[in-house]
Amino acid sequence: NAGVTQTPKFRVLKTGQSMTLLCAQDMNHEYMYWYRQDPGMGLRLIHYSVGEGTTAKGEVPDGYNVSRLKKQNFLLGLESAAPSQTSVYFCASRAAGGLDYEQYFGPGTRLTVT
Amino acid sequence: GQSLEQPSEVTAVEGAIVQINCTYQTSGFYGLSWYQQHDGGAPTFLSYNGLDGLEETGRFSSFLSRSDSYGYLLLQELQMKDSASYFCAVRGSTGGFKTIFGAGTRLFVKA
Repeated sequence: NAGVTQTPKFRVLKTGQSMTLLCAQDMNHEYMYWYRQDPGMGLRLIHYSVGEGTTAKGEVPDGYNVSRLKKQNFLLGLESAAPSQTSVYFCASRAAGGLDYEQYFGPGTRLTVT
Repeated sequence: GQSLEQPSEVTAVEGAIVQINCTYQTSGFYGLSWYQQHDGGAPTFLSYNGLDGLEETGRFSSFLSRSDSYGYLLLQELQMKDSASYFCAVRGSTGGFKTIFGAGTRLFVKA
């Protein structure tokens, strides 16, 4: 049981390049989330999904797009990377029902945009 | 909107007890959670309080007072491995399924 996995673990992009971060979970969770973490700012929600085929904006969605074509996968895309998007990106998932707690996090992707 | 306040750093000695406070402002309230994150690692869930009072899980306890919009995480019998960042998180009634995280408290445990 792998839990939540993220690929890649590290990436360096040049300004203007595009990339996709992949999140996969094997716990059959309905809800999935993408966060970014910057020093001293905690976790900020970028986009989230409450089920296959659905996505919604979080606190800081600008410059990012997401897709949830399959229940187990949640993709985060950067169409034109900017230095302000240098951050550590975490994916998380949780089961449906109950209250919004006990999210399971992936190991993170460290992205640097030069 | 929603916001959380917690101290940026706390230092304590091994074997001691430490309390990390969290105050919050939300439109509606659906519970306060705590997460632990070691350097270079992912956040991991520690505890949840949906109702007032104390929840205990081994050496860790978490408390909530909804009337004061306040909670805390209590760590007892501190160990060196408890050195990490601790985040409180809250979900309010706005924004669908969004959970808002505090900026985190860095705990340093000294020998």
